[in-house]
Amino acid sequence: DIQMTQSPTSLAASVGESVTITCLASEDIYGSLVWYQQKPGKSPQLLIYGATILEDGIPSRFSGSGSDTQYSLKINSLQPEDFASYYCQNGLSTPYTFGAGTKLELK
Amino acid sequence: EVQLVESGGGLVQPGRSMKLSCAASGFTFSNYGMAWVRQAPTKGLEWVATISYDGSSTYYRDSVKGRFTISRDNAKSTLYLQMNSLRSEDTATYYCTRDLTTEGIGWFAYWGQGTLVTVSS
Repeated sequence: DIQMTQSPTSLAASVGESVTITCLASEDIYGSLVWYQQKPGKSPQLLIYGATILEDGIPSRFSGSGSDTQYSLKINSLQPEDFASYYCQNGLSTPYTFGAGTKLELK
Repeated sequence: EVQLVESGGGLVQPGRSMKLSCAASGFTFSNYGMAWVRQAPTKGLEWVATISYDGSSTYYRDSVKGRFTISRDNAKSTLYLQMNSLRSEDTATYYCTRDLTTEGIGWFAYWGQGTLVTVSS
């Protein structure tokens, strides 16, 4: 199984700041990396797929990068609605595996 | 508008069975792969099972293989998860998801609201 190691586990930031979350796959996933946002009590929402492609309707302050085994999600100019949990996911092959999540909190 | 509405969750005793349903609307159901993803209370996301657009292929995580069965009825635009021999570690909110594209890639673009399954005596 492909293991997804996500860091940090939690992160405190202020509105207007920029943050980066990283995800390391245990083997090459050829760019098949997905990022989700989940707010408390809500279902996850797809943000980015194919490592870099922004889903329709997602603000451009979100961006993804990476290849092979190393990937990252950057959020520029944090807005109040961005404080949530974020998960990466191996979309290459089953079993589809998720990172443990990053909780982004307001400083 | 894509809608996925799960039902069938609740409290069940260990060793018993439960069947979840997911009613889909707003898209051509028979064109897309579907999956179940679960989330234990206060924990992260865990993929459970995937079914191809026509039901001919199914995939499971090891911990549910032989106990859970994913299926679909394309005429009814409904996805199912039959869960047998339930264990306490199966306690979670179960989400029905739809693939982003028709290519059978496991990118989960749409999620239902989730249904909570609690396995306890």
